[in-house]
Amino acid sequence: GAGVSQSPSNKVTEKGKDVELRCDPISGHTALYWYRQSLGQGLEFLIYFQGNSAPDKSGLPSDRFSAERTGGSVSTLTIQRTQQEDSAVYLCASEPRAEYSYEQYFGPGTRLTVT
Amino acid sequence: GDSVTQMEGPVTLSEEAFLTINCTYTATGYPSLFWYVQYPGEGLQLLLKATKADDKGSNKGFEATYRKETTSFHLEKGSVQVSDSAVYFCALLGAGSYQLTFGKGTKLSVIP
Repeated sequence: GAGVSQSPSNKVTEKGKDVELRCDPISGHTALYWYRQSLGQGLEFLIYFQGNSAPDKSGLPSDRFSAERTGGSVSTLTIQRTQQEDSAVYLCASEPRAEYSYEQYFGPGTRLTVT
Repeated sequence: GDSVTQMEGPVTLSEEAFLTINCTYTATGYPSLFWYVQYPGEGLQLLLKATKADDKGSNKGFEATYRKETTSFHLEKGSVQVSDSAVYFCALLGAGSYQLTFGKGTKLSVIP
């Protein structure tokens, strides 16, 4: 079946611009995660959505970052007024949380470059 | 807080060599442990997992045993192939948690 998809695969933006990154999770997966992968910091948790519960935003690095998940499916990560340190690969993962599988399925990522 | 430490790379091996990538962790309680692999140009894939002490996860010839006494989850493979060239990440899921904590990754290159 279809896996987690993310778009765009690559995004180059100028410092100060806003960007939106999209994630389509695996159908039926109730949990959705965003992570950031950068050279200096490795893989960092950003935000977690589970069903209709309030998201866990504890990993968001600043208030320039926000995310939403519409209809319990597609999620959008928005970065406002991008900075060069935001350059990274942004990974989305989904999980059939209701089954407590402890297996997160990752998308291919969006490589963001801020110039 | 929870943390994962894995050996720094890069690691370069000849085909059919034995592979060990060390991973140790710090966590309260009884975490679940994972190895993820990222092939060039692809996303992270779960390679294997272990959810309790002394469990051995295995997949594609790779193995790792959850050692609580040494807080370790070392990845091993008896005979690597060129197709195993990738970045390997050790990760843990804290008890009662849902966010993975990753090590920094170890890049493996296997040469013919």
